[in-house]
Amino acid sequence: GQQLNQSPQSMFIQEGEDVSMNCTSSSIFNTWLWYKQDPGEGPVLLIALYKAGELTSNGRLTAQFGITRKDSFLNISASIPSDVGIYFCAGLGTSGSRLTFGEGTQLTVNP
Amino acid sequence: NAGVTQTPKFRILKIGQSMTLQCAQDMNHNYMYWYRQDPGMGLKLIYYSVGAGITDKGEVPNGYNVSRSTTEDFPLRLELAAPSQTSVYFCASSPPRDIQNIQYFGAGTRLSVL
Repeated sequence: GQQLNQSPQSMFIQEGEDVSMNCTSSSIFNTWLWYKQDPGEGPVLLIALYKAGELTSNGRLTAQFGITRKDSFLNISASIPSDVGIYFCAGLGTSGSRLTFGEGTQLTVNP
Repeated sequence: NAGVTQTPKFRILKIGQSMTLQCAQDMNHNYMYWYRQDPGMGLKLIYYSVGAGITDKGEVPNGYNVSRSTTEDFPLRLELAAPSQTSVYFCASSPPRDIQNIQYFGAGTRLSVL
């Protein structure tokens, strides 16, 4: 089946720093989604990307759909303590309605 | 708006017991999904459904069963609980694929099998 490699697995940063994480795959995806999971909660959608090369922002978050359709990145600028959580990428392949999820990036922000 | 509602939030089972995890959505979504999330891991798809009366296996279906008698409800059944089924279970729903592919998640059911 399709697999997504998400990196890094975890990040420990100081408040105010910028963060970058990415997902790569050997397969082509039609859609890339980025979710955030707060402790004890379900994932919540942050950004959705539907076209190769698309660059989309949501406040301090920016995500891009790679030109090759095999990768995506998420940047967080000027991190704040409430950015703490697990960030997941997810891709929708060409063959159906099932999302493939990355393993997640655990973000810790020190005040 | 309720969105996706999962019950119970927490449950402890003994080995061999059975239980049903409930999931309901009020967004008239056709597609519904069940995932499990093990500690420090991503989401693994257990079962999914593209509409009432239709269900399909995901990556890790063994030990689980589902049914989809209505658009709103998608219960997940564990018949003989095993310690390996200790996990957090998430239900999700999405509109039909040709409109958008975004999945909306419930808050999860935390299950321990002892």
